[in-house]
Amino acid sequence: GAVVSQHPSRVICKSGTSVKIECRSLDFQATTMFWYRQFPKQSLMLMATSNEGSKATYEQGVEKDKFLINHASLTLSTLTVTSAHPEDSSFYICSASAGGPAGELFFGEGSRLTVL
Amino acid sequence: GENVEQHPSTLSVQEGDSAVIKCTYSDSASNYFPWYKQELGKRPQLIIDIRSNVGEKKDQRIAVTLNKTAKHFSLHITETQPEDSAVYFCAASIGNTPLVFGKGTRLSVIA
Repeated sequence: GAVVSQHPSRVICKSGTSVKIECRSLDFQATTMFWYRQFPKQSLMLMATSNEGSKATYEQGVEKDKFLINHASLTLSTLTVTSAHPEDSSFYICSASAGGPAGELFFGEGSRLTVL
Repeated sequence: GENVEQHPSTLSVQEGDSAVIKCTYSDSASNYFPWYKQELGKRPQLIIDIRSNVGEKKDQRIAVTLNKTAKHFSLHITETQPEDSAVYFCAASIGNTPLVFGKGTRLSVIA
């Protein structure tokens, strides 16, 4: 299947700092990528849809100024958690569709963010 | 918008037995229903999917059934093995809209 790579896999930062997470589609072009957040033992909650060359579409309740998404190319989307706080600690996972029939998603490895 | 309910939240079976996980969805226009397996600390992996023009799909020990009238779909794992232990998520979507996931089922296969 298609490969989606996410980096970093783990990051620990201090409160108030910003953290950038990268999501790359390695063997296909993705005009749309999705960012999910997953708390321990919980489901995947969609945060936003990242569209290449345009603004991201955020889900209700997700602060767009806190979670900055940039999709500058067909193979790269970034999520920046700005002024991180301990409550932002979570597992963030990106995904992308490889085209073809609608809906089939491939996930990145995920990034575990810990804010001290 | 779409709402996906998944049951049970936890499931324990003896090795060799079958496991069934059920999901319901709210939007009758949904037409794509994948199942993902997620091992601890790892990314979700697609294990099987079904589209609304099909009632059943099977891949070795894994099968999915879809009842569009009742708006529910189920995952069936036969001859379970310890390596099947993981969290399983169902999801639903309409066309190119983002997947909406169920809350997950933690399956434990006891050797």
